[in-house]
Amino acid sequence: DIQMTQSPSSLSASVGDRVTITCRASQNIRTNLNWYQQKPGKAPNLLISGTSSLQSGVSSRFSGSGSGTDFTLTISTLQPEDFATYYCQQSDSTPPTFGQGTKVESK
Amino acid sequence: QVQLQESGPGLLKPSETLSLTCSVSGASISDATYYWGWIRQSPGKGLEWIGSVYFTGGTYYNPSLRSRLAISIDTSKNQFSLKLTSVTAADTAVYFCTRELAGTTVAPWGQGALVTVSS
Repeated sequence: DIQMTQSPSSLSASVGDRVTITCRASQNIRTNLNWYQQKPGKAPNLLISGTSSLQSGVSSRFSGSGSGTDFTLTISTLQPEDFATYYCQQSDSTPPTFGQGTKVESK
Repeated sequence: QVQLQESGPGLLKPSETLSLTCSVSGASISDATYYWGWIRQSPGKGLEWIGSVYFTGGTYYNPSLRSRLAISIDTSKNQFSLKLTSVTAADTAVYFCTRELAGTTVAPWGQGALVTVSS
């Protein structure tokens, strides 16, 4: 299985901050990388597919980049509703696998 | 919009069989664009893809669970189901039913069903 490693595991930030989350794959996954947001007690919600394609209805303050083994999720200006846990997921090979998550907390 | 809802027992004893059903509304489970799957989430293992089923009945399983796993689909009821045999405490998790786009993205997800395995 492809291992996905996110860093950091958690971070503290303030509204208005720029936040960057990194995801590294254990092998080349080209651009087959997706990002999800999960709030407490809720199911994950797809934010970005194919490394950088924003899903309909998702704010443009979210962006994704990368290829191969290294990927980044950026929140340009953190909003109160963005405090959540973020997961990356590779869809290059079966089984699809997820990172361990990055919890974005209020400073 | 598409909604998925899990149902089934929330408490099992070790060695029993976990059975969950996902009811889909707002979309046809016979839509050839999508697969229908299960993902579980536990504090110890994080998010783990269990497997998925196509409207034809074709299945795709996580090799780590294949020997205990069966996923089936009932197009007449617009439902699909998960069976996991010989459960242990390690199978305790929140189980989500999901829609997959051709093995790529997962959206939407059901609200999740907590299944606890305890003697």
